[in-house]
Amino acid sequence: QAQLQEAGPGLVKPSETLSLTCTVSGGSMINSSYYWAWIRQAPGKGLEWLGSIYYSGSFYYSPSLESRLTMSVDTSKRQFYLRLTPVTAADTAVYFCARVWVEVAYSYDFDLWGPGMLVTVSS
Amino acid sequence: DIQMTQSPSSLSASVGDRVTISCRASQNIRVYLNWYQQKPGKAPTLLISAASTLRDGVPSRFSGSASGTEFTLTIKNLQPEDVATYYCQQSYTSPPVTFGHGTRVDI
Repeated sequence: QAQLQEAGPGLVKPSETLSLTCTVSGGSMINSSYYWAWIRQAPGKGLEWLGSIYYSGSFYYSPSLESRLTMSVDTSKRQFYLRLTPVTAADTAVYFCARVWVEVAYSYDFDLWGPGMLVTVSS
Repeated sequence: DIQMTQSPSSLSASVGDRVTISCRASQNIRVYLNWYQQKPGKAPTLLISAASTLRDGVPSRFSGSASGTEFTLTIKNLQPEDVATYYCQQSYTSPPVTFGHGTRVDI
């Protein structure tokens, strides 16, 4: 049974870089059926997709964040990464990593999620 | 981009009630609409994919339907453990990904 787990600093200063790691356990990342994604949720707000990355490294970013966002993947470590810079208080949120099932045409199903971690942007 | 409009934003019902949540797409997305359940303090989980396909382990009191650009999540016989926020998400043109704004269900 695959599982996802986010890790990284819980506090980041304004104008600095938010860096998170998602570790995939219980399964390989090298699978054509899946993309790997980051989604966030500001306090009391809804879900915001940030971007998705394939095991090969190809990616899609949210148009509203693509100038500040970088995602990468290391399949040997079974990890994928999020880098967001520079950050402001508006980037304070719970950040989730998720697996995206894309095997069937027009499917884009977030079928497995990490528990999420709160990242606060504050000086 | 396709916009997803969910309604209502919140509702309160009693145990045993039938609850319906709507999600309207700004353009045709065929049946490519997913529903997620997010319990307080937890990550979302995928409940229904492709408008009406119940995921493994999801109780049969949950169901989904589609009519044109209007999608409905129905919970029959509402249970206390169904207290959550429910989100829709269209997959037809993803990425980019758009979620509805969520519907909070209380008892």
